[in-house]
Amino acid sequence: GQQVMQIPQYQHVQEGEDFTTYCNSSTTLSNIQWYKQRPGGHPVFLIQLVKSGEVKKQKRLTFQFGEAKKNSSLHITATQTTDVGTYFCAGPNSGYALNFGKGTSLLVTP
Amino acid sequence: DAGVIQSPRHEVTEMGQEVTLRCKPISGHDYLFWYRQTMMRGLELLIYFNNNVPIDDSGMPEDRFSAKMPNASFSTLKIQPSEPRDSAVYFCASRPLGTGELFFGEGSRLTVL
Repeated sequence: GQQVMQIPQYQHVQEGEDFTTYCNSSTTLSNIQWYKQRPGGHPVFLIQLVKSGEVKKQKRLTFQFGEAKKNSSLHITATQTTDVGTYFCAGPNSGYALNFGKGTSLLVTP
Repeated sequence: DAGVIQSPRHEVTEMGQEVTLRCKPISGHDYLFWYRQTMMRGLELLIYFNNNVPIDDSGMPEDRFSAKMPNASFSTLKIQPSEPRDSAVYFCASRPLGTGELFFGEGSRLTVL
């Protein structure tokens, strides 16, 4: 079945540095979603991308969906300690559920 | 809105015992999902329901796991008998018709000794 792979698995940055996580799918996706999970918390929806080549911004976060709709990225500019957590991409499976990537855990040191 | 409500938040039990996890989805949401999260396997879909009907249970590990949704406001995930390898955080999520966003509960952390 469809799987989404994420890299890197972990990223440790100094506060103020940029951060990027990448997501790749083995098949074309109708859409891709991103979630953030704080340590000890639950996944929280960030955004959904639908169109080929789409770029969306939320303050310091920039989300991209590839032209072939098989890859996506999340870029954080000038990280802050509040950005700490695990970022997941997720694509729809053959039904109405989501298949989640393994996530990228971001650690930000002040 | 209170969001998705799960109970218990933490459960510690011994191997062989029955475990029941509970979920109350957001009112009006048509879909309910059960996911399991471990370090090794990440977030795995176990089963999901649409209008209380199980649609896809291919992720349920084995016959020891069962899930029910007797009405639109309640679902259970049961493990009988439990094993140490079942130790994980179990998340329930719900979703309204017409959107893709999943709303997760806070999870039930299960430890089987």
